[in-house]
Amino acid sequence: ILNVEQSPQSLHVQEGDSTNFTCSFPSSNFYALHWYRWETAKSPEALFVMTLNGDEKKKGRISATLNTKEGYSYLYIKGSQPEDSATYLCAFDAGGTSYGKLTFGQGTILTVHP
Amino acid sequence: DVKVTQSSRYLVKRTGEKVFLECVQDMDHENMFWYRQDPGLGLRLIYFSYDVKMKEKGDIPEGYSVSREKKERFSLILESASTNQTSMYLCASSPPGQGETQYFGPGTRLLVL
Repeated sequence: ILNVEQSPQSLHVQEGDSTNFTCSFPSSNFYALHWYRWETAKSPEALFVMTLNGDEKKKGRISATLNTKEGYSYLYIKGSQPEDSATYLCAFDAGGTSYGKLTFGQGTILTVHP
Repeated sequence: DVKVTQSSRYLVKRTGEKVFLECVQDMDHENMFWYRQDPGLGLRLIYFSYDVKMKEKGDIPEGYSVSREKKERFSLILESASTNQTSMYLCASSPPGQGETQYFGPGTRLLVL
């Protein structure tokens, strides 16, 4: 079983704070790293799929970076808002014959206080 | 708008019962997946299917089986429910190929008494 770790496990911030969290994954057999956001009572939804070392993706106030050589990705949220409160999941994609299988980290639970 | 639906949002069953969780997707995706989510453990893959009638074990298949008779439907079966199968169950689907996004259903929260 592949080891995908996320830290911190949970985070409480005030509205307007910027925050970031980490996903670490195996640096071998890498094809892609996925980020998902999972809001309470909703389905997880995809944020980013990142494949290239040094890649940086952005969606509104959320951005992510990727380092495949050392096996980590950072997710940043600038100026957090209460609606950003969710569990953020990363998932390792080995590609190849994995049939689209993803190995998920345990998630970071973000709570943004007004 | 892509859609993955699951048959129930909440389910309460008794130990020893046979439980069926149904998942339907309308995106004509080849791949379908069943996960369970427990606090502090993230999503763990139970089974997946890459084509009709094809199935592969994930990381935690013990106590579960699956059925995929039609492309759009993937069923998870708990042959004899046990209390340690109390969990949130999520279904997902994706197109074939590498690096594809998985699309998730809303989840079924199962309580086994």
